[in-house]
Amino acid sequence: KAGVTQTPRYLIKTRGQQVTLSCSPISGHRSVSWYQQTPGQGLQFLFEYFSETQRNKGNFPGRFSGRQFSNSRSEMNVSTLELGDSALYLCASSLDPGTGVNTEAFFGQGTRLTVV
Amino acid sequence: AQSVTQLDSHVSVSEGTPVLLRCNYSSSYSPSLFWYVQHPNKGLQLLLKYTSAATLVKGINGFEAEFKKSETSFHLTKPSAHMSDAAEYFCVGGSQGNLIFGKGTKLSVKP
Repeated sequence: KAGVTQTPRYLIKTRGQQVTLSCSPISGHRSVSWYQQTPGQGLQFLFEYFSETQRNKGNFPGRFSGRQFSNSRSEMNVSTLELGDSALYLCASSLDPGTGVNTEAFFGQGTRLTVV
Repeated sequence: AQSVTQLDSHVSVSEGTPVLLRCNYSSSYSPSLFWYVQHPNKGLQLLLKYTSAATLVKGINGFEAEFKKSETSFHLTKPSAHMSDAAEYFCVGGSQGNLIFGKGTKLSVKP
């Protein structure tokens, strides 16, 4: 079974540009979450999508947005990039049995974004 | 709201000696708790999870954690460290779609 795939693995962008990151979840997983990892702030939750709807949202500005497609693949977009957006962006997918029982979140290897 | 606090940013042990990585949590209800490991340039991997079925949770690679409600702790232990255990470890709370990460503990293993 293929794992969570994130593309691209590395990205260099200039301040003010926008960027789109992609995440393909494990087959059958319907929940996709995004996290930002930086040395200073650690791992922070961005948002979660389930069945093409944003279900949870972290405390990030509106420049950070996402979407999920009918095949559960998800994209994350950051507009008007700032130097502080340089980070490792991680995507996680999980089953969502709807029973309230926590199931494992499987993480991709991440996309390392550098803003110059 | 739930939060987790990892008490040590860096732990160094010798190969073959026990590992203890400390984590305290705060939650107004029965928490969901996990330990994840991140090796350099790799994604996060689940070591173990607390599901309230048992207070002593066994995970992969010989790791285990004990949930202690009276101490609001969920410390990660391993009887004997291996060089391959060198990595960063995260104590995590929250729900599957919204995980709350501790700041991480970097484990170094000396030969």
